[in-house]
Amino acid sequence: SAVISQKPSRDICQRGTSLTIQCQVDSQVTMMFWYRQQPGQSLTLIATANQGSEATYESGFVIDKFPISRPNLTFSTLTVSNMSPEDSSIYLCSVGEGGTGRGETQYFGPGTRLLVL
Amino acid sequence: GDSVTQMEGPVTLSEEAFLTINCTYTATGYPSLFWYVQYPGEGLQLLLKATKADDKGSNKGFEATYRKETTSFHLEKGSVQVSDSAVYFCALGAQKLVFGQGTRLTINP
Repeated sequence: SAVISQKPSRDICQRGTSLTIQCQVDSQVTMMFWYRQQPGQSLTLIATANQGSEATYESGFVIDKFPISRPNLTFSTLTVSNMSPEDSSIYLCSVGEGGTGRGETQYFGPGTRLLVL
Repeated sequence: GDSVTQMEGPVTLSEEAFLTINCTYTATGYPSLFWYVQYPGEGLQLLLKATKADDKGSNKGFEATYRKETTSFHLEKGSVQVSDSAVYFCALGAQKLVFGQGTRLTINP
């Protein structure tokens, strides 16, 4: 499976600031996905990032709050803007392998643990 | 929309006990089904998957069978170990995954 790394692994930030999270994959992939895991909760998809096009956001997430870049087929960034304590979460990126549709399996990075004070 | 419901945790068992974590789903069509595991302080790891009805996924002694008639994908293991302590997530989909709420499992020696 693909090897996925994220930076930073964790951070503590002040409210009102922004943090950019990086996701690097060791192979070229068409789509990358960003998820949020709030404390004690399940994972929720934030957006899908395609190389060369605007990210597609899920209901409840907007580009102004979570801008995403996808400059090439192995890298993506997610920025959490104007942070508040409610943004304290684990942010994970994922990529798919094994084809498309039914055959695809998502693999996840180690996550970025964010605490906003 | 699609959804996944897992049995509520936390679940606490003794070592070598039999484990079942229930997972049921609602979905349009016939999505792939997954179990992911999250060990303390780590990201999600794929545990097993099934892509069509009656498929059985298995890994590390864990098994789950895709049951279309009961829309279920229950996770089982015959003899758990302390090292199995983690949070387990059931999920469905392909590229975009829908997750259950997670079940925290603690195994006592």
